[in-house]
Amino acid sequence: GDQVEQSPSALSLHEGTGSALRCNFTTTMRAVQWFRKNSRGSLINLFYLASGTKENGRLKSAFDSKERYSTLHIRDAQLEDSGTYFCAAHQGGRALIFGTGTTVSVSP
Amino acid sequence: EAAVTQSPRNKVTVTGGNVTLSCRQTNSHNYMYWYRQDTGHGLRLIHYSYGAGNLQIGDVPDGYKATRTTQEDFFLLLELASPSQTSLYFCASSPPDGSNERLFFGHGTKLSVL
Repeated sequence: GDQVEQSPSALSLHEGTGSALRCNFTTTMRAVQWFRKNSRGSLINLFYLASGTKENGRLKSAFDSKERYSTLHIRDAQLEDSGTYFCAAHQGGRALIFGTGTTVSVSP
Repeated sequence: EAAVTQSPRNKVTVTGGNVTLSCRQTNSHNYMYWYRQDTGHGLRLIHYSYGAGNLQIGDVPDGYKATRTTQEDFFLLLELASPSQTSLYFCASSPPDGSNERLFFGHGTKLSVL
């Protein structure tokens, strides 16, 4: 089965609100990355975490290897936050294992 | 279940060698992409295509050609491989823009250029 389960698949937010994306892992992962895909298909690297939490502006991510999950929080959502977000897990020596993405739509 | 299959899974070649990486998707998706993944850079877009016969330039196209022969098949070509092209390559597909932005990835191809 899938080793990375990302949810929700779609998320609608009003400007100024916030929510969280989550990735659950079926096995222990060494690290996790979060990306946002722009309209051309380029993947923008948001975070890389081997443990703990990181924050960048209105985005905050957490990774718990033992509990096998990672989250990405968006606060005070803005229109430019719309896009598709991916988590990707590092399983120690193997290729990145990607979630299937969350399409975030921010409306006025 | 959406499927993107890459081949080979691993490839070793020498500098100046000719390499073709293959990707096939059975999702009936229009868009297909080739990325390379390097430590410290995340994933970078090499080329992409929105249908058979179409090719679009990505962010790091130098040294790469690509060809989309059918809806299902997208090939990445390295005609004169260099050590800087040692990387992990991912193929992905997605439905047309506006309907679903989700990407479905292959498992990756590890390429080593000696």
